Amino acid sequence: NAGVTQTPKFRVLKTGQSMTLLCAQDMNHEYMYWYRQDPGMGLRLIHYSVGEGTTAKGEVPDGYNVSRLKKQNFLLGLESAAPSQTSVYFCASSYGLAAYNEQFFGPGTRLTVL
Amino acid sequence: TQLLEQSPQFLSIQEGENLTVYCNSSSVFSSLQWYRQEPGEGPVLLVTVVTGGEVKKLKRLTFQFGDARKDSSLHITAAQPGDTGLYLCAGGMDSSYKLIFGSGTRLLVRP
Repeated sequence: NAGVTQTPKFRVLKTGQSMTLLCAQDMNHEYMYWYRQDPGMGLRLIHYSVGEGTTAKGEVPDGYNVSRLKKQNFLLGLESAAPSQTSVYFCASSYGLAAYNEQFFGPGTRLTVL
Repeated sequence: TQLLEQSPQFLSIQEGENLTVYCNSSSVFSSLQWYRQEPGEGPVLLVTVVTGGEVKKLKRLTFQFGDARKDSSLHITAAQPGDTGLYLCAGGMDSSYKLIFGSGTRLLVRP
């Protein structure tokens, strides 16, 4: 039982390049989330999904797109990376509503945009 | 905009000391969760409190949800080096699928 896994663990991009971060969970959770974590700012929600085929915007969605084609996978895309997107990205999943259910986090992806 | 403010931002103490971390908001939350995050890893849930005034204990950690459900505190008794990490509070609302995270308290317990 791997829980939540993220690939890649580290990535360096040049401004304007694109990439996709992959999140996979094996707990059959309906809800999945993408966060970014910056120094002194805690975790900020980028996008989330309440089920296969559905996605919604979070607090800081600009510059990112997501897809949830399969229940176990949640992809985060950067179409044209900017230095402001340098951050640590975390994926999480939960069985039910976030307010009352534990969110299980992946180990994170450290992204640097030059 | 719902905000959760945590204080202090940084705390460095000696092993064996007690400490309290605070999480405050002007908004009312349906629940309050506390997570601990170690370097290079994702946050891990410590506790969820859902009732105003609720107190939960987890070994040497005591969590309290304010009566008005706008604030929470985490008290650690006799801190140990293994308690070192980033402590995050997160508020949840019935009407939302999302959690609002505080900015975190970074704790260092020196041997």
